[in-house]
Amino acid sequence: QVQLQESGPGLVKPSGTLSLTCVVSGGSISSNNWWTWVRQPPGKGLEWVGEVFQSGSTNYNPSLKNRLTISMDKSKNQFSLKLTSVAAADTAVYYCTRVEQSGMDVWGQGTTVTVS
Amino acid sequence: DIQMTQSPSSLSASVGDRVTITCRASRSISNYLNWFQQKPGKAPKSLIYAASILQSGVPPRFSGGGSGADFTLTISSLHPEDFATYYCQQSYSTPYTFGQGTKLEIK
Repeated sequence: QVQLQESGPGLVKPSGTLSLTCVVSGGSISSNNWWTWVRQPPGKGLEWVGEVFQSGSTNYNPSLKNRLTISMDKSKNQFSLKLTSVAAADTAVYYCTRVEQSGMDVWGQGTTVTVS
Repeated sequence: DIQMTQSPSSLSASVGDRVTITCRASRSISNYLNWFQQKPGKAPKSLIYAASILQSGVPPRFSGGGSGADFTLTISSLHPEDFATYYCQQSYSTPYTFGQGTKLEIK
């Protein structure tokens, strides 16, 4: 079965760049799925960040304006998130998920990123 | 953006109770509505997609309904493991917004 694992620095300085990777195991990132990032600030609700399709097409949350890039590396079976000019408001647990016809059916365990 | 509003924001109930959580979209989203359960320190878990279809392995005491802009999640008889926070999410148009969550607590 497909499993997702996020990784990346837990601490990022203000105005710096947040970079996270999600490794896909048990399945191919080239399958007909959207691969998505969702984040959750401490004590708050879930926020959809953006997604990438196996073709490379992307959709982003407009609230993140021009700071966000989501990409995939098929050779490594992983996809990535890059968020520039980070501030304290970007502090959150970041989850990667797979979107099937049945919705976001597989989630990573989440990785905590603190901007400070 | 489509706004998703859940009610109530919190709910106290007892084991065995029947509970219903509602989710309202700011405009029609057909049946592009998903429900998730989240326990403290854990990733969300998909319960229901397309408004009423249970994910594989989800107990049948969970059910979803509605279409257009108004939706419900019902738990027919609460089990101890059901006490958690529940989120609705629309997958009709990007950005795919979530409701603010409903925290279900033990009375």
